[in-house]
Formats: sequence, C-alpha cells, structure tokens
Amino acid sequence: DGGITQSPKYLFRKEGQNVTLSCEQNLNHDAMYWYRQDPGQGLRLIYYSQIVNDFQKGDIAEGYSVSREKKESFPLTVTSAQKNPTAFYLCASSMKGSFTDTQYFGPGTRLTVL
Amino acid sequence: GNSVTQMEGPVTLSEEAFLTINCTYTATGYPSLFWYVQYPGEGLQLLLKATKADDKGSNKGFEATYRKETTSFHLEKGSVQVSDSAVYFCALSRNTGRRALTFGSGTRLQVQP
Repeated sequence: DGGITQSPKYLFRKEGQNVTLSCEQNLNHDAMYWYRQDPGQGLRLIYYSQIVNDFQKGDIAEGYSVSREKKESFPLTVTSAQKNPTAFYLCASSMKGSFTDTQYFGPGTRLTVL
Repeated sequence: GNSVTQMEGPVTLSEEAFLTINCTYTATGYPSLFWYVQYPGEGLQLLLKATKADDKGSNKGFEATYRKETTSFHLEKGSVQVSDSAVYFCALSRNTGRRALTFGSGTRLQVQP
C-alpha cells in the first residue's frame, strides 16, 4: 500500500539535544511538507520541498533544518535553537505541489522535551 | 496575507442532527479550498475539496460549496453519526507563490448517541 510513514511515533528529547524526525513516502510524489501542530491550533508550515535537492522555509523555520536528498525522504531536524519544540509534527506530500493537489499526511510524531 | 477562520468548538450534537461548521477565508486570487479531518492521535485525512468558485466538494455525506462572493466554504452534513466525532480543519492553497496549505484553527465535533 502506498502512503507516508513517520517515525518514531513518540520522541523524547532532553534540553540542548538535536533530534531528527523521519518522513518517507512511496507515492512517487514530488512535493513534501513539514507542519507543526500545537494543542487547539491549526497546523503551521515549517519547511517544504517541491523537488529533490531544493527546499524552502515556511512560516516557522527558525530552529529547524531539513534535507531532500532523495525523492521519497524528507527528514526534519529539531535543533537546540528551537525554544519550544514540544508539539505534534506532521509530514505531508503532494503529487506535483500544484495548488489544486491534495496533500496526504503521515500519522505524525509527538515530540516532548524533558 | 492568507488566512482561514473557523467557528470555535467544541460543537456538540446528538446523533442524526444536522451539522454546519463555518469557514471563511482571506486570500488573493483564486485559491483551492479543502476540508481535512483528524481523529485522535492521528494525522489528517482529506475529507473534500473544491478548486474553483461554485464547485461543490462532497464525500461520506459531507458537502461544502466554494462561495467566492462570500469567501466561504462551510461544511455541512445532513445526519451526523458518533463516528464523525473528530477535529475538522478548513484550509486553502494559493494559486501563486507558495503552494503549501494555510489552515484554520480546527473545530472539534462531538456527536452523542
């Protein structure tokens, strides 16, 4: 079955540590996205990538970094510079990144800073 | 800039009641409009979408019509079920520049038996 996988489902980080969240898709989609969700709020865009080896900052990119070396993979690193990283992180992909395309979401990773 | 405004929840209904969740947007040009649903602890699933004015999206008994004159995309269902209990997000995607989604804050629906 085609879809998006995110791992791990739950992640705990100590203050000052960097952590990397995995996102893999086998839908052969060109575009991939990372969103952050806080309780009672909508999703906010962290980074997005329209094609391999290219990515753009979203609305809340500070303290995060990404790479897009392969079409199917778009890992997100939460660095120690992110002041309030505890949140639910969602990865998504779409076929061509067109504004009419449906974005398909993974199951999410819940990050907690201890 | 672009923004999406949804009615605040939670919305609590009895089974078989009529549902309306209001959504209005602000955007330049002609965005595409989406409704996504999120069940507890899960990612988002597309419920329906409309990509041009006067289009009606529909799925699983839910409907929404893209009204450019009122900049709205209200979600409706004639008879809700307990299994419809979830958080519903309205979102838009612009037809110029960045194509990522802009989301509303979500509306929690609770359906009681």
